[in-house]
Order: sequence, then structure tokens, then C-alpha cells
Amino acid sequence: QKEVEQDPGPLSVPEGAIVSLNCTYSNSAFQYFMWYRQYSRKGPELLMYTYSSGNKEDGRFTAQVDKSSKYISLFIRDSQPSDSATYLCAMIPRQGAQKLVFGQGTRLTINP
Amino acid sequence: GAVVSQHPSWVICKSGTSVKIECRSLDFQATTMFWYRQFPKQSLMLMATSNEGSKATYEQGVEKDKFLINHASLTLSTLTVTSAHPEDSSFYICSASGGAPETQYFGPGTRLLVL
Repeated sequence: QKEVEQDPGPLSVPEGAIVSLNCTYSNSAFQYFMWYRQYSRKGPELLMYTYSSGNKEDGRFTAQVDKSSKYISLFIRDSQPSDSATYLCAMIPRQGAQKLVFGQGTRLTINP
Repeated sequence: GAVVSQHPSWVICKSGTSVKIECRSLDFQATTMFWYRQFPKQSLMLMATSNEGSKATYEQGVEKDKFLINHASLTLSTLTVTSAHPEDSSFYICSASGGAPETQYFGPGTRLLVL
């Protein structure tokens, strides 16, 4: 079993829809949770990071962490064609550790 | 956000030659840099972690004599693929951290094709 599970998709939705991307994890030691967006042939771009449980909002993006369920989500409101990319969740255990543990990534396409 | 650059963005070389890839943090000092490899439609695979002025720590299965990493300053790390072979063809991405490990910033990647 992988430490972090993420549905690779592909996921295709119409423009303007609310998108929900999710990851589950097995290691209860994870404390920091990140979402990266990666366009084709580019490096990942940090979108959101959260510490422990709770919600964090930034514009059209909301990151949600439920540590009791070992489940994290990224919501995209009013999705745009420019949001079409691969979204990677990543997490890291207690402060001091350095290695990000990535999910497989979900390929998202927003159709105009 | 912090900016990380990589050079070159793509490179084609003959089998048996060596290729050097540079990773620079442009507007912050990177105490730690990471090198990843990514195959098509797959997630990132960590190859090694380097701290400025120290030897790199390689992940299991990564040949340290083949993938030479140097982190000589707080803004520059290099990855040299020695005696490259076609199976080394891949997308190589670096990331840099200025302290807080949760805020890794990635470079744009270097596409390597070995003929």
C-alpha cells in the first residue's frame, strides 16, 4: 500500500464547475500538507499548504485537511480552462523532516 | 513566491557523454535542494537531497557515481549525469527550500534525451 493515494483520473469537467481533488494517506505522522499544480512539461507550482487539520482558502482554491480520516481535499471554484493541469498532493511529517511524499497526481481538464 | 531556475531547459546528447544541469534559487538562499526525476504521466521520484557544503544524500537505488550532485553555494546546485545512456532520458526537476521544509519551490525542469 502506498503512503499517499491519489486517483490519477483523468478528470474532465465543464468550465465554471466546482472541482474536488482528494488524497488519502496512511501515515498518521504527516503534519504538513501541500497541493502543487503542474502544467505539461513544467515544474510543479506550490498552490496551497496547510498545517494539521482545518481549511485554508486562497481565491478560488480551498484546501481542507481531515486528520481523523487521513483525508485531504483541494476545491477549485469557478473552474477555468487555465486550471487544466495535473494536481499533486504532497505531505511531510513532523518539522525537521525534509522529504515530500507525493501522491500520483490527478490530471484535470476544464472544458470551455 | 520564490523563484527557482534550471538550465538548460532541454538537452540532447550522445550516449556515453556527461550532462550537467544547474539549479539556482534566484531570490532566496536555499539551504537544501532536492533533485527529482519524472517519467511521463508519473509522479516525481526523489533522487537525492543536498545541503549546502555537504555531500548529497541519495535515495535507495540511485547511483551516486552516475548522478553527481554538487551544492557549492546557497543559490546553486548542479546535477551531472555521467556516461549517459538512453535509459537516463527523463525530465529532471530540482526544488529548493529556504528553511521551512514544507515550502519547497520547484524549478521548471530539464528534459534530457540521450541518443
